[in-house]
Amino acid sequence: AQKITQTQPGMFVQEKEAVTLDCTYDTSDPSYGLFWYKQPSSGEMIFLIYQGSYDQQNATEGRYSLNFQKARKSANLVISASQLGDSAMYFCAMSLGGLAGRRALTFGSGTRLQVQP
Amino acid sequence: GAGVSQSPSNKVTEKGKDVELRCDPISGHTALYWYRQSLGQGLEFLIYFQGNSAPDKSGLPSDRFSAERTGGSVSTLTIQRTQQEDSAVYLCASSLGLAGDTQYFGPGTRLTVL
Repeated sequence: AQKITQTQPGMFVQEKEAVTLDCTYDTSDPSYGLFWYKQPSSGEMIFLIYQGSYDQQNATEGRYSLNFQKARKSANLVISASQLGDSAMYFCAMSLGGLAGRRALTFGSGTRLQVQP
Repeated sequence: GAGVSQSPSNKVTEKGKDVELRCDPISGHTALYWYRQSLGQGLEFLIYFQGNSAPDKSGLPSDRFSAERTGGSVSTLTIQRTQQEDSAVYLCASSLGLAGDTQYFGPGTRLTVL
């Protein structure tokens, strides 16, 4: 069975600084996808970034980048130049690929990020 | 609409009553997922639809929970004889239906069972 671990329940960062949110995963399936979602206080889950297990390069989307270290089974999210609006809960998630892969997302417990002015 | 929509946004019910939660996915998305989010259990998968069939129902917590999808579009999650432990936010997501594709979430339905 697959598992996602987020070991930081809460993080603080100063506005305009960069922050790294940790995520490690466990699966025996060679084909999988890793996702990060943001959940502000409004409750909606907002997709941020995706990394496929066979992707050679780390994914980037604007201020978000994913530090993918396959051998360590880690997929940390890096947010550059933090903004006050980045304050939210962040979830790491995984789904399995392939024809028979489990499509449902397995989520970590989340990290609450607070950006301070 | 452009995104996933869910109704109602909030539902308060009495223990023992049945409730129906609705999800309208993004147009053209063949895959639809139900999850629930509660303080004690985090985010849990409930059921996955591909078209109108449900190849993965492994997350449904009991036989009081059921879901259907008609016309490859709207889905309804039904909880019969609600219990207090059913109180949670129920989230729906949709995707194109390809392996590893991105799931886009709706705003959720907050269910409170008194």
